[in-house]
Amino acid sequence: EVQLVESGGGLVKPGGSLRLSCAASGLTFSSAWMTWVRQAPGKGLEYIGRIKSKTHGGTTDYTAPVEGRFTISRDDSKNTMYLQMNSLKTEDTAVYYCTKDVPLTGGGALEHWGQGTLVTVSS
Amino acid sequence: EIVMTQSPATLSVSPGERATLSCRASQSVSSNLVWYQQKPGQVPRLLIYGASTRATATPARFSGGGSGTEFTLTISSLQSEDFAVYYCQQYKNWPYSFGQGTKLEIK
Repeated sequence: EVQLVESGGGLVKPGGSLRLSCAASGLTFSSAWMTWVRQAPGKGLEYIGRIKSKTHGGTTDYTAPVEGRFTISRDDSKNTMYLQMNSLKTEDTAVYYCTKDVPLTGGGALEHWGQGTLVTVSS
Repeated sequence: EIVMTQSPATLSVSPGERATLSCRASQSVSSNLVWYQQKPGQVPRLLIYGASTRATATPARFSGGGSGTEFTLTISSLQSEDFAVYYCQQYKNWPYSFGQGTKLEIK
């Protein structure tokens, strides 16, 4: 059974930084394309970014609201993905989900979701 | 960037009836379309991908249709557990994008 467990959320001041982790089990992590999605309180879902498997270059893609501020990385030896968030804004307040796609959908069809970790950006 | 628009925002249907939710893309996404269900306080759940392929454990009463820019999610006979928010999402071009959601509520 695939399990994704996020950690690292919390309260941070505007302009601050936070690093989220996603520990994965029950899958061949090294070949997985992994994605971060967030959901602001009472709002809809929003893609943040994805990281491809090393086989596909291990490259990352981001959406415009976080480009240049957020960085996704992975450590295949630890079956863990990370989200480094810098220059945080109040509008980054959300539950952050780690997700895994249906294979061969390019990180598109998100089959497995963690329980999410809440990030609150407030002074 | 592809904009996904769902309609209606809220749909009121009685249990046992049929519900049809719509999703429109601002440009063609071929069949690279997903539907998710989210209940209050829960994590989104994948229902349909590839516009019409049911995910594992998705009941047969859920069906997806369409291609290009127009898509539908049909629930043939609503059960109490189906009342939730439904999101469509395209994965044709990065950045992938979600619709704003349709809330399916009990009439």
